[in-house]
Amino acid sequence: SQQGEEDPQALSIQEGENATMNCSYKTSINNLQWYRQNSGRGLVHLILIRSNEREKHSGRLRVTLDTSKKSSSLLITASRAADTASYFCATGTSGSRLTFGEGTQLTVNP
Amino acid sequence: SAVISQKPSRDICQRGTSLTIQCQVDSQVTMMFWYRQQPGQSLTLIATANQGSEATYESGFVIDKFPISRPNLTFSTLTVSNMSPEDSSIYLCSVAGLAGGVTYEQYFGPGTRLTVT
Repeated sequence: SQQGEEDPQALSIQEGENATMNCSYKTSINNLQWYRQNSGRGLVHLILIRSNEREKHSGRLRVTLDTSKKSSSLLITASRAADTASYFCATGTSGSRLTFGEGTQLTVNP
Repeated sequence: SAVISQKPSRDICQRGTSLTIQCQVDSQVTMMFWYRQQPGQSLTLIATANQGSEATYESGFVIDKFPISRPNLTFSTLTVSNMSPEDSSIYLCSVAGLAGGVTYEQYFGPGTRLTVT
């Protein structure tokens, strides 16, 4: 079964708007992480939320986790053109292994 | 976070040949991993590189095709053997457990873009 399924697959917004991406998963996890990837380059770690946490903030990023629904969301507030990238959620289970979702392609139009 | 470098950054190879990708970290880390990202797709874990012992491979990946070495806590290599066009992907290494600690955050290298013709 696919762990870490994301929606939407693609999202296009205007600068200044908020962007929300969702991630669902199927099995129990001990943490969930969000990453950004620009144009097929390396991944940048954005934020980690543990299974006993419900919400976490980092700058313009807000991540929520609902373990009862097995879902997480990433909110980017006041988006900028530089936020244009692919965003991936990744679920962590045992031994630090990560399983990645399919990703959301975010385009922020100037 | 750690500074992670990969060599080469990209390569174009002929089918049937092999390519070895290097991953170097600027500090000791507990865990090192290798991922593959096929064109337009997400990342798939190939294996966990274990220091001083054989790597732990995920389902669908075998040592004969993707031999991995990890001679110390800062360096690992992944070889893509007997390549075919289906091996064209970005290969990324990642690390976790900086300074030998226990942590779940993984940090990624810049990737190696491989094209097999």
